[in-house]
Amino acid sequence: DTGVSQNPRHKITKRGQNVTFRCDPISEHNRLYWYRQTLGQGPEFLTYFQNEAQLEKSRLLSDRFSAERPKGSFSTLEIQRTEQGDSAMYLCASSLAQIQGGEQYFGPGTRLTVT
Amino acid sequence: AQKITQTQPGMFVQEKEAVTLDCTYDTSDPSYGLFWYKQPSSGEMIFLIYQGSYDQQNATEGRYSLNFQKARKSANLVISASQLGDSAMYFCAMREVYNFNKFYFGSGTKLNVKP
Repeated sequence: DTGVSQNPRHKITKRGQNVTFRCDPISEHNRLYWYRQTLGQGPEFLTYFQNEAQLEKSRLLSDRFSAERPKGSFSTLEIQRTEQGDSAMYLCASSLAQIQGGEQYFGPGTRLTVT
Repeated sequence: AQKITQTQPGMFVQEKEAVTLDCTYDTSDPSYGLFWYKQPSSGEMIFLIYQGSYDQQNATEGRYSLNFQKARKSANLVISASQLGDSAMYFCAMREVYNFNKFYFGSGTKLNVKP
């Protein structure tokens, strides 16, 4: 098992452009989470999938953000009309659906810089 | 209200000594999980230890133990025999089972191990 992968690792874009990130979870994991992390802070929850269903979305997530997990495997996170405040590390994590445990395993992240 | 509070932005510990990192949480969910993650300067989030809300005994994983005091809503991480490689950010996290399995992270504690 190769763990959680994310692409690209780094993205520099100009304000107003759209960007899309991809996350490939651990293959048997049915839960997938997206987080945003800024320097010196903990990960901030954005959204969560169980299989292909998006079960929860943070109120902090504006309409410019959308996420999909079309076949319950990989997921994409799109940010439209990027703003400088979107600059952050975007982390993806996956886990098994279970009452006990259910620890998340994180990918390496995509660092977004909006100029 | 903050779901996870880590009151120690930074800690120093001498190599080979034990250190306790504090974490308090706030939830009304009867079923929850508590987690600790390590984030070295390289950026990846590494799962360390898990404690379930119904677990009677404190969790242990090698040099890591979780001091779980349910009535006080605290879940402190104890690292025994600190090593230089333990220098990193440490995040406490909570999963609320009946709240869509949302995860909440604290703001982290930066641990520096001195030789």
